[in-house]
Amino acid sequence: QQQVKQSPQSLIVQKGGISIINCAYENTAFDYFPWYQQFPGKGPALLIAIRPDVSEKKEGRFTISFNKSAKQFSLHIMDSQPGDSATYFCAAGTNSGYALNFGKGTSLLVTP
Amino acid sequence: GAVVSQHPSRVICKSGTSVKIECRSLDFQATTMFWYRQFPKQSLMLMATSNEGSKATYEQGVEKDKFLINHASLTLSTLTVTSAHPEDSSFYICSARLIRGEQYFGPGTRLTVT
Repeated sequence: QQQVKQSPQSLIVQKGGISIINCAYENTAFDYFPWYQQFPGKGPALLIAIRPDVSEKKEGRFTISFNKSAKQFSLHIMDSQPGDSATYFCAAGTNSGYALNFGKGTSLLVTP
Repeated sequence: GAVVSQHPSRVICKSGTSVKIECRSLDFQATTMFWYRQFPKQSLMLMATSNEGSKATYEQGVEKDKFLINHASLTLSTLTVTSAHPEDSSFYICSARLIRGEQYFGPGTRLTVT
C-alpha cells in the first residue's frame, strides 16, 4: 500500500516558471517530510524538509507548503531553471527509526 | 549536509559470483542505515534496514541469504549480493539516518551481472 501519493508523474515547465509537486499521506504518525532531488545515475540528495509544527519552509528558490489537516504537502520551485530538471521524490517518516516512505517520483523538465 | 559514500560506484561481475558494496557515513555516526534498490524510472524500493551490532531487518520478498547485510560499525554497512544473476542487475543505494530523522543517501552502485 502506497503510504505517500505523489503527483504529477511528470511535469514540464518553462524557464522562469513555478514548478509545483504535490504529495498526500495517510499515516498521522508521520512527523517528518523531506523532499529529495535525483539526477540520472546519482543517489537522491536531500533538498528540503519540514516538520508539522510549521506550515511553510523556504530555502532559496525551494518552498515546502504543509497542510496538516488535509495531510498534504507540496514543493514549489520558483524561477525554475534547466538545471532543476531532475526527478523529485517526496517522503514521509517518523523519528522512531523506521525507513522513510517515498512517493513514486516526479520527473521535472524545465525547458529553456 | 551529511556525507555518505558508496564503493564501488559501478561493478560488472559474472553470473554466479558475489559482489560486496560498502556504504560509509563520512562525517557522522549512523546507528541505522538502509539499503534500497532502484529500477530505471522508478522509485526507491527498500530492501533492508541495517542496525549497528544487530541483524538486518529485511523487507518482504527480499531474500536475506542472497542479500547479506553487515553493519559492522557506526560508520560502515555492507551489502553482499551472493551468487549474482542477471536479474540482480540494478542500481543499489544506501542511506544513513541521523538521530533527528534525516536520511542522507550515498551516490549509488550500478551492478551489472553478465
